[in-house]
Amino acid sequence: QVHLVESGGGVVQPGRSLRLSCAASAFTFSLYSMHWVRQAPGKGLEWVAVVSYDGSTYYYADSVKGRFTISRDNSKNTLYLQMNSLSSEDTAVYYCARGRQQLVRGWLDFWGQGTLVTVSS
Amino acid sequence: DFVMTQSPDSLAVSLGERATINCTSSQSVLYRSDNKNYLAWYQQKPGQPPKLLIYWASTRESGVPDRFSGSGSGTDFTLSVSSLQAEDVAVYYCQQYYRTPYTFGQGTRLEV
Repeated sequence: QVHLVESGGGVVQPGRSLRLSCAASAFTFSLYSMHWVRQAPGKGLEWVAVVSYDGSTYYYADSVKGRFTISRDNSKNTLYLQMNSLSSEDTAVYYCARGRQQLVRGWLDFWGQGTLVTVSS
Repeated sequence: DFVMTQSPDSLAVSLGERATINCTSSQSVLYRSDNKNYLAWYQQKPGQPPKLLIYWASTRESGVPDRFSGSGSGTDFTLSVSSLQAEDVAVYYCQQYYRTPYTFGQGTRLEV
């Protein structure tokens, strides 16, 4: 069964940085696009970013563009989200999710349990 | 950006009855070259990550009960639960994947 485990969340001060990781297993990670989606406490889902299967293509939500960087290491079956210049508006549970095979456009068929990022002084 | 608007925000339905959730996109998500609607539906239960229910607006994901169905085209879509079960209590989201950012609707809370 596809398994996605996020890590790296925690409490961080405004303006600081944090890097999230998502370890993938039980599928051929290098064939699939991967996404980050976040959910502020008590709120709905917000799509954050996607990276293509080979890491060559990526897109971001306007709310994080220029501050967040999505990347992947296919040799380690791991997805990353580097988050800089964090603000309280970035406080959320961050989910990694699997996209479609070899295509950036598509649905998200497996999700991790999420990691909580709290931005607070 | 595509704005996805769901209605209603919350819905109470009796067990065994039909539930219908609507999703409207600010722009068409029908891709003419393949005649497919780039829309998915997800279910999120409390304390859990979302679960994919439907993609291409009407294709049920493997393992999803057939009481869940999706319909619609272009800008207007519907998720139906034909006979509500207690385990269907959740928040439901639509999402367009026609163009980035792949926006979600605000969610519809389905209650018994």
